[in-house]
Amino acid sequence: DVKVTQSSRYLVKRTGEKVFLECVQDMDHENMFWYRQDPGLGLRLIYFSYDVKMKEKGDIPEGYSVSREKKERFSLILESASTNQTSMYLCASSPLDQQETQYFGPGTRLLVL
Amino acid sequence: DQQVKQNSPSLSVQEGRISILNCDYTNSMFDYFLWYKKYPAEGPTFLISISSIKDKNEDGRFTVFLNKSAKHLSLHIVPSQPGDSAVYFCAASAISGFQKLVFGTGTRLLVSP
Repeated sequence: DVKVTQSSRYLVKRTGEKVFLECVQDMDHENMFWYRQDPGLGLRLIYFSYDVKMKEKGDIPEGYSVSREKKERFSLILESASTNQTSMYLCASSPLDQQETQYFGPGTRLLVL
Repeated sequence: DQQVKQNSPSLSVQEGRISILNCDYTNSMFDYFLWYKKYPAEGPTFLISISSIKDKNEDGRFTVFLNKSAKHLSLHIVPSQPGDSAVYFCAASAISGFQKLVFGTGTRLLVSP
């Protein structure tokens, strides 16, 4: 079974703090993704990566950055957290030969005060 | 602009009956469509998919129908079971989109005994 784990289930941070969200997958997948889920907006893609040290902007990259130093790990960074970044963050991975089927982690619910 | 739309935020169905979840898209470049199911406190899980070369795909109780001329797809669940109660997201991708999925806003299905 594919397993995608996220470092925290719940996180509370203050405005202006730097926030790191970690994601690890154990199936040697090439592709990894970060989404945020908000009521009425569905899942929106923040960043994705198709290889180590490679990254591509998704639909809403503003205020975020990512890091992929190892194949299994994809980190989402909020350089200076703001209240409008309060959301559910979901990480996903997919293999090169099954590209559209993504496997999701359980999510991190982030509250920025 | 919302390229993938799920106009019904919620749907209630009795156990044993058919559940029909609808999804509309605007981008004619989309050629692969998926449905994901999400339980509370869990990440979305892949349910069923369909390529644009088909108009129907069936997997057990789940059938997805695609009407390309109308840019519409639907998910049928027959018979519905209480365990099907979840949020369902439809998603679409295009060959040129490099595995990026565009998600709809989701429909919450409640199946009552």
